[in-house]
Amino acid sequence: QSVLTQPPSVSGAPGQRVTISCTGSSSNIGAGYDVHWYQHLPGAAPKLLMYGNSNRPSGVPDRFSGSKSGTSASLAITGLQAEDEADYYCQSYDRSLSVVFGGGTKVTVL
Amino acid sequence: QVQLQQWGAGLLKPSETLSLTCAVYGGSFSGYYWSWIRQPPEKGLEWIGEIGHSGSTSYNPSLNSRLTISVDASKSQFSLNLGSVTAADTAVYYCARGQVAVGRKYFDLWGRGTLVTVSS
Repeated sequence: QSVLTQPPSVSGAPGQRVTISCTGSSSNIGAGYDVHWYQHLPGAAPKLLMYGNSNRPSGVPDRFSGSKSGTSASLAITGLQAEDEADYYCQSYDRSLSVVFGGGTKVTVL
Repeated sequence: QVQLQQWGAGLLKPSETLSLTCAVYGGSFSGYYWSWIRQPPEKGLEWIGEIGHSGSTSYNPSLNSRLTISVDASKSQFSLNLGSVTAADTAVYYCARGQVAVGRKYFDLWGRGTLVTVSS
């Protein structure tokens, strides 16, 4: 069981918008700790996609956006493309367990 | 361009010690926290622990009793030792560079991963 809860999968047609939720608690996201997101393609190292809730590292398309509210966060992908098909993980910090990840969400482009 | 290169034994027997090393090339070693993260088959990511360039460590409580992370700053390397491994420790192990600030800790650079299999 992951400390942060994500839906196992989401899907959408090319060009559509999909969102991935990440739900935590008062000891992590709700305690004010930032949420970060990673994109993980099979056989590759995870790639930082979003940091500090809504900041994109250089090179990440602006189709990706992040937000945080209360004990939850979300990642949105607009204008979904075939290359976005991957696993996505949220990550934060927890007062008792230190760094924590979500269980991951598989994005499928239909 | 900064790169992380990792290496270590990929096949272990139960009760043996898992040892991996990660080297930082092309960039600064100081000023960051260096972590190990793993992904068991068909499961999500799990943070193992971290070490600062000066040697300060923080470990996942669930692994604390079996875990040692060490650093050789002169070589820009850090290492993972996980004792008494079982099949549950089978995973792809990643080293990663941690960015730390007030209220946040995230990983902006990752190694390519090492598959470690524990089997008798």
